[in-house]
Amino acid sequence: DTGVSQDPRHKITKRGQNVTFRCDPISEHNRLYWYRQTLGQGPEFLTYFQNEAQLEKSRLLSDRFSAERPKGSFSTLEIQRTEQGDSAMYLCASSSTGTSAYNEQFFGPGTRLTVL
Amino acid sequence: SQQGEEDPQALSIQEGENATMNCSYKTSINNLQWYRQNSGRGLVHLILIRSNEREKHSGRLRVTLDTSKKSSSLLITASRAADTASYFCGGSNYKLTFGKGTLLTVNP
Repeated sequence: DTGVSQDPRHKITKRGQNVTFRCDPISEHNRLYWYRQTLGQGPEFLTYFQNEAQLEKSRLLSDRFSAERPKGSFSTLEIQRTEQGDSAMYLCASSSTGTSAYNEQFFGPGTRLTVL
Repeated sequence: SQQGEEDPQALSIQEGENATMNCSYKTSINNLQWYRQNSGRGLVHLILIRSNEREKHSGRLRVTLDTSKKSSSLLITASRAADTASYFCGGSNYKLTFGKGTLLTVNP
């Protein structure tokens, strides 16, 4: 399978715990995006990388959220001191720049987080 | 904040009928992308239309874009029960900005 993969697919945690999600983009894609989706809503942009550079992180929901893409390949999203309001689907997407600056974004299956 | 808005919020049709969904956005975009999402799953990319294009086709899908009105429409022809899903449009410069989507139900 050469699509975007995310791990884990489901995560249940207790309030106050830290969680980390992983995203593996399509191999030739240099851009990687994180979105969050709550029930009944469309995905909401969080942050994105071009190669290893994080080009925007202002939409990260609080300083408890951080993302990395150390070698320009896979990325991790960490939430520290989780709260019940963090319960959501966390989606990763990737795209290439190619002949156009902004191309199709392909999404992974998501990680569903439940904070008890 | 959500800047895209899909209309209607829910649409129920019979198999074989056409389904039309509309989308509006607020800021200038480089392109607009339509996605399908089955319950609890990730988004499946359907079609991308660039800001200098007015209409695009892909199989049973037809997308239009009116940048002067900041709106787009997605037409699914000859719908099938398997088309039942939520449909989202995302206006893109680098990030995608989505609305709440249209829930399409195709009854067999």
